[in-house]
Amino acid sequence: DGGITQSPKYLFRKEGQNVTLSCEQNLNHDAMYWYRQDPGQGLRLIYYSQIVNDFQKGDIAEGYSVSREKKESFPLTVTSAQKNPTAFYLCASSRTEQGDTQYFGPGTRLTVL
Amino acid sequence: QKEVEQDPGPLSVPEGAIVSLNCTYSNSAFQYFMWYRQYSRKGPELLMYTYSSGNKEDGRFTAQVDKSSKYISLFIRDSQPSDSATYLCAMSARSGGSYIPTFGRGTSLIVHP
Repeated sequence: DGGITQSPKYLFRKEGQNVTLSCEQNLNHDAMYWYRQDPGQGLRLIYYSQIVNDFQKGDIAEGYSVSREKKESFPLTVTSAQKNPTAFYLCASSRTEQGDTQYFGPGTRLTVL
Repeated sequence: QKEVEQDPGPLSVPEGAIVSLNCTYSNSAFQYFMWYRQYSRKGPELLMYTYSSGNKEDGRFTAQVDKSSKYISLFIRDSQPSDSATYLCAMSARSGGSYIPTFGRGTSLIVHP
């Protein structure tokens, strides 16, 4: 089955800890994205990557970091500098045709205790 | 003014009704228009995408784009309780070699038996 996987589904973190969210795709898409979704606020772009070993900040990159060492993988690290990290995190990927229409993973719910 | 406006609802309809979901936008450069369906605690699922103006039909779903009015719609015929979800509109324009979409906040739809 082709698709995007995210793990874990639920993640709990103590304040002051860094955590890494996994995102893998086998769609052979070049571009990958990370979004944060909070109730009533829609999707906000954190980081995106159009190609391996390159990535750009989105609208809310502060307190987050990413890497893109492989085409299939785009992990997101939520650092202790992120002041309000409790949210639903969504990974997406896209191809360059069709205006880069995005396909989403199932999401990771991060809760800071 | 936000680039994409979408009424959050909730919109409550009886089973079998025709549902109309809408978004307005301000950026005349948008070329690609998408609709996503998102069930609670799940990732968004791409329903429809349209390039430029016109209508596109897929089963019970019809997407309509009116670029002159900067207005897009998603119609759902013979609505079912399983259609109860949040519907996100998204649209994109080419910028620096990529198409990063702008999302609406989503409309919550409830179809009751």
